[in-house]
Amino acid sequence: AQSVAQPEDQVNVAEGNPLTVKCTYSVSGNPYLFWYVQYPNRGLQFLLKYITGDNLVKGSYGFEAEFNKSQTSFHLKKPSALVSDSALYFCAVRDVDSNYQLIWGAGTKLIIKP
Amino acid sequence: DSGVTQTPKHLITATGQRVTLRCSPRSGDLSVYWYQQSLDQGLQFLIQYYNGEERAKGNILERFSAQQFPDLHSELNLSSLELGDSALYFCASSPRLAGDEQYFGPGTRLTVT
Repeated sequence: AQSVAQPEDQVNVAEGNPLTVKCTYSVSGNPYLFWYVQYPNRGLQFLLKYITGDNLVKGSYGFEAEFNKSQTSFHLKKPSALVSDSALYFCAVRDVDSNYQLIWGAGTKLIIKP
Repeated sequence: DSGVTQTPKHLITATGQRVTLRCSPRSGDLSVYWYQQSLDQGLQFLIQYYNGEERAKGNILERFSAQQFPDLHSELNLSSLELGDSALYFCASSPRLAGDEQYFGPGTRLTVT
């Protein structure tokens, strides 16, 4: 069965420092991977996706994610964190066994401190 | 603004009651998804409709049902409500059956007292 894990409930980073939000996955076949962000009192917003090609995927708001097949990971990164990046981040993988639904991670709360 | 609208924004009701949540997808999107987000932040997929037909079911209770109408708007019906049904309910839409890039509405916050 496909699955996705976000091992950290919360990540704290100082403003200006690089940030990483971790995601690991388990799928049969080629993974289709996604990151979404949820700002307070808002719906989720699509950030970026990996389907194929370059292992480094660039997305919205300066975020990027690195696909690592050998480690089955898809970590979200940003070189310099902003206070406004504070939000809830969800990793997701396409479930090829279930009509291509997205399987969602539990979410990681990112807190950027000034 | 994602282009997905949900009504109402807030709903307070009593246990045992029945409510209907409404969603209008982005113009041109054929897929509609319903999610429940509990206070512990988890996002649970409930159900997907594509062009009027149910295409996938997640962890949806038998007390819950949904439908998608010919104009592609969707309604989620929650009946015999329990305290544990209090949550944020999101609707999302996407243009295709495979919901890779989903566009989420602002959600309906349901409080059952």
